[in-house]
Amino acid sequence: DQQVKQNSPSLSVQEGRISILNCDYTNSMFDYFLWYKKYPAEGPTFLISISSIKDKNEDGRFTVFLNKSAKHLSLHIVPSQPGDSAVYFCAALNRNQGAQKLVFGQGTRLTINP
Amino acid sequence: DAGITQSPRHKVTETGTPVTLRCHQTENHRYMYWYRQDPGHGLRLIHYSYGVKDTDKGEVSDGYSVSRSKTEDFLLTLESATSSQTSVYFCAGRGTNTGELFFGEGSRLTVL
Repeated sequence: DQQVKQNSPSLSVQEGRISILNCDYTNSMFDYFLWYKKYPAEGPTFLISISSIKDKNEDGRFTVFLNKSAKHLSLHIVPSQPGDSAVYFCAALNRNQGAQKLVFGQGTRLTINP
Repeated sequence: DAGITQSPRHKVTETGTPVTLRCHQTENHRYMYWYRQDPGHGLRLIHYSYGVKDTDKGEVSDGYSVSRSKTEDFLLTLESATSSQTSVYFCAGRGTNTGELFFGEGSRLTVL
């Protein structure tokens, strides 16, 4: 049972344009959401997060939007740069669980074309 | 994050042999996690630790065991490796901010 889903395995975007990565979740107990970025042969690194009490969080070129009623979140990157080419993982957690076990989606491979 | 190192980085082994992957951290993380990454599945939690000698199962724990005898080291053991355990394994430590995990560089395991 995949509680966090990223339905697009890959996405290709022109440099300078907006990249939009999507994520859906099924567990209504999730109250915190994160995006991680992963380059080949490296571990994932934290990118941006959002609490369920917000619907938007912005950090430079990266913005995450949360639609709780639809159980959907998205990551917007604008403008997209070649260094943004990586695999992006959406993750969710229930902060009431002390262990803070992150549940990850399958990942979306983003390719930024010059 | 240089504070978490994994060894070995690459290993090829045969079905039925025992394998131990080591995670060493210098950040004094209390919570540590082992994930595996597979195409189409993303990252799945195998086991985690919430302190020395305190461990618990994740969603894909069958065939794996862990041990944490000191804060710095978190070991993942495959008692008898199977081909389905061919994967990339990531160790992570929990930082002070909510949900933020710091990952090692991964250990690629191939079971023939």
